[in-house]
Amino acid sequence: EAGVAQSPRYKIIEKRQSVAFWCNPISGHATLYWYQQILGQGPKLLIQFQNNGVVDDSQLPKDRFSAERLKGVDSTLKIQPAKLEDSAVYLCASSLAPWGNQYFGPGTRLLVL
Amino acid sequence: AQSVAQPEDQVNVAEGNPLTVKCTYSVSGNPYLFWYVQYPNRGLQFLLKYITGDNLVKGSYGFEAEFNKSQTSFHLKKPSALVSDSALYFCAVRDTNAGKSTFGDGTTLTVKP
Repeated sequence: EAGVAQSPRYKIIEKRQSVAFWCNPISGHATLYWYQQILGQGPKLLIQFQNNGVVDDSQLPKDRFSAERLKGVDSTLKIQPAKLEDSAVYLCASSLAPWGNQYFGPGTRLLVL
Repeated sequence: AQSVAQPEDQVNVAEGNPLTVKCTYSVSGNPYLFWYVQYPNRGLQFLLKYITGDNLVKGSYGFEAEFNKSQTSFHLKKPSALVSDSALYFCAVRDTNAGKSTFGDGTTLTVKP
């Protein structure tokens, strides 16, 4: 089966610019996650969707980050405006159920200059 | 708040020797516990999980982990290490009530020939 797809793989922007990431989960997976992984740290959950509803977004910086999952399939994560500290790898993952194994995409490496 | 601690940034073992990668956790409810592995230039991959039942869980590539409720630990083990096991290992916990995932900061395992 096809894995979790993410694009772009790499992105370089200047601070205060905006950026968007796209994720297509494994077909049939109801739960979708966005993580931020800063170098040397473990992934930090930003937002979790169950179908097209938000289950948890307690660690999402809502003043600059937004995410949506229209139609309960693919998802976009947006940062506007970006800050230097947003430089990280953004991981998308999906699972069949909220407590199932998570399947991760390759990630988008963001560098904010 | 739930948390995961991986007390060792790095573990070095010789090929053929047993290996242990340590993980302790803190959650308010019953835990779901996971190990993921990240090989160089590859995405995070599921290795094994504990949901309920037998405290010794067997996973991919000959790895196993032991759930110890009294010590709130979930250490990853393998009886005989291979050079190809060298990778970055992450422990993760999910509270069965909230469903939110928390990852540790990872342990780099190096297996030397």
